[in-house]
Parts: sequence; structure tokens; C-alpha cells
Amino acid sequence: QKEVEQNSGPLSVPEGAIASLNCTYSDRGSQSFFWYRQYSGKSPELIMSIYSNGDKEDGRFTAQLNKASQYVSLLIRDSQPSDSATYLCAVTGAGGADGLTFGKGTHLIIQP
Amino acid sequence: EPEVTQTPSHQVTQMGQEVILRCVPISNHLYFYWYRQILGQKVEFLVSFYNNEISEKSEIFDDQFSVERPDGSNFTLKIRSTKLEDSAMYFCASTPGGTYSGNTIYFGEGSWLTVV
Repeated sequence: QKEVEQNSGPLSVPEGAIASLNCTYSDRGSQSFFWYRQYSGKSPELIMSIYSNGDKEDGRFTAQLNKASQYVSLLIRDSQPSDSATYLCAVTGAGGADGLTFGKGTHLIIQP
Repeated sequence: EPEVTQTPSHQVTQMGQEVILRCVPISNHLYFYWYRQILGQKVEFLVSFYNNEISEKSEIFDDQFSVERPDGSNFTLKIRSTKLEDSAMYFCASTPGGTYSGNTIYFGEGSWLTVV
């Protein structure tokens, strides 16, 4: 059974600092990796997607993928109070219609 | 920006009743999904739908559940004989070309189902 593991937190980070979120996954066949942000009672919102080993940067966000270690991370630079949310790691396989397997999410709190 | 729309936003139903949750995916998208999230728990995949048939389903998606695309725009999830444990937020999602590289998965705002 596919599993995605995340530290549930809460992870408390001062405003302006770097927030580091981590995720491991069990299925070595996973091909696509996503980070979503979810506010309480709302739907997941895509932050980053990554498909190959290495780093991918988009604004203040950097996703890192290491398939050998089955590890995905998300760095948020210059953290803002509005970044406070639950961050969900999700992975999927090689098939186009494969469903996403989500982790339980890490609750991030940015302290002003 | 295009969006996935879901109705109703909230529905309360009695145990044993049938519920239909409706979704309008983004118009040029080809892959459709249903997910659910029980309060305080993780988002769980239910089913994917492509080319007018189910492509993949999870263990959760048993005979109690069915999906349908009755016309060119709507995508529905039917839950027969609802149980208390079906209480959850149900999310519809769509993507133009599946989860392949470069395709964004768009989630609707969700339908909150409460079974009493």
C-alpha cells in the first residue's frame, strides 16, 4: 500500500525565516510529486510540482526531490504570516489517471 | 482563471439516504477525480474517470459509490445508503492530461456532507 509520511507539526517559524517541510514516500514507482497548501475547511491549492531529481524553484518556494532516498522537501524563504497553513505532500504513479496519495500534512505556523 | 465548481457546498442527510454530489470540471479537461477528507484526516483518493469510464479506484470506492458523467459538463458522485462514516468533505478535481508532467490538477471547493 502506498504511503506518504509527513511530520504533522505544528512547525513554528519566525517571520522572514526559512520554513523547511519534509516528506517521504513508500512507492518507488512514484513519478510525480506535489506540494499543496490547505487552509482549514478549504480545498488543496497547488504550490509546486516536481518530476525529476534535484531542485525546482518558483518565487519563494523551492521543491527538492531525491528519488533514491524517496524524499521530497519544500523550502519557503522569507516566510510570511499568510504562509501559515497545512502543507500536503502528494505523490502519484506513472499512469495519467493515477490518483494522488496524500500525506497527513504539516501544520506550519509563521510567527510575526 | 478557470475553476472546478461543486454543488452543493454543504448537505445534511439522514443515514440510509442516497446523496448525489455534483461537479462541473474545467471545460477542456479530460481526467476527473473524486477525493474525500474526513475531518482532521488526510485527503483520500476515491476514483478517477477518463474517456467515460472509471480508470482507477481505491479500496474506499466500493459498491456504495458510483460516478457518472451524464452530459458533456457534469461529473457526479452518488453515495447509496449513506452511513455516519461517510461524513466528510468531498473534493472533485480535474486535469487536462492526467497527472503527467506539466499538468496541473485543479480542485473544486468541496462539498461538505454530514450524515446524521
